[in-house]
Amino acid sequence: LAKTTQPISMDSYEGQEVNITCSHNNIATNDYITWYQQFPSQGPRFIIQGYKTKVTNEVASLFIPADRKSSTLSLPRVSLSDTAVYYCLVGDDSGAGSYQLTFGKGTKLSVIP
Amino acid sequence: SAVISQKPSRDICQRGTSLTIQCQVDSQVTMMFWYRQQPGQSLTLIATANQGSEATYESGFVIDKFPISRPNLTFSTLTVSNMSPEDSSIYLCSVVNRENTGELFFGEGSRLTVL
Repeated sequence: LAKTTQPISMDSYEGQEVNITCSHNNIATNDYITWYQQFPSQGPRFIIQGYKTKVTNEVASLFIPADRKSSTLSLPRVSLSDTAVYYCLVGDDSGAGSYQLTFGKGTKLSVIP
Repeated sequence: SAVISQKPSRDICQRGTSLTIQCQVDSQVTMMFWYRQQPGQSLTLIATANQGSEATYESGFVIDKFPISRPNLTFSTLTVSNMSPEDSSIYLCSVVNRENTGELFFGEGSRLTVL
């Protein structure tokens, strides 16, 4: 399983772009990179997923360099409601009935007015 | 997407008792996962529950302590047995959306406090 490393916490002012980087040096060929958001007293919620290059959806962008040993979640113009813990996960569907995903410690993002 | 309902949402339990958490999904899924999230911590996978077979437990978790049932493709239960205060956690049920290459959907969690 690829281990992930993220900053423990980040602060940002409202309206700023926030970039959270995740390191996953031993990512495997079949691994995808997925980011989740978790608010207090709720289960994690899928934000975005990618394999390589750049992926963008209505919520965020995910940048993955060619070596795939890291990834950066970009949140444009954050608001107070983006205050949450963000988890980077690396894993694959092994196809043999097992699906292994390990949550790292996550990054606690605090958006300041 | 998948909608997951967990019961109870929270409970306060006495030491030495057992509690069963239910997880209901609005669609048929092959794999269901049970996670534990201790206060202020990340999520830890307890076990994977496949319909028609024994659950697969992660290191540090055993069937006697966390028996799991998976009677059909939309339902699972996790029992926390012989509880101690160290079992106070949020327990989360999750399913994977294979159509989207592995996106996980989570229930709201069941917050257990053991006195």
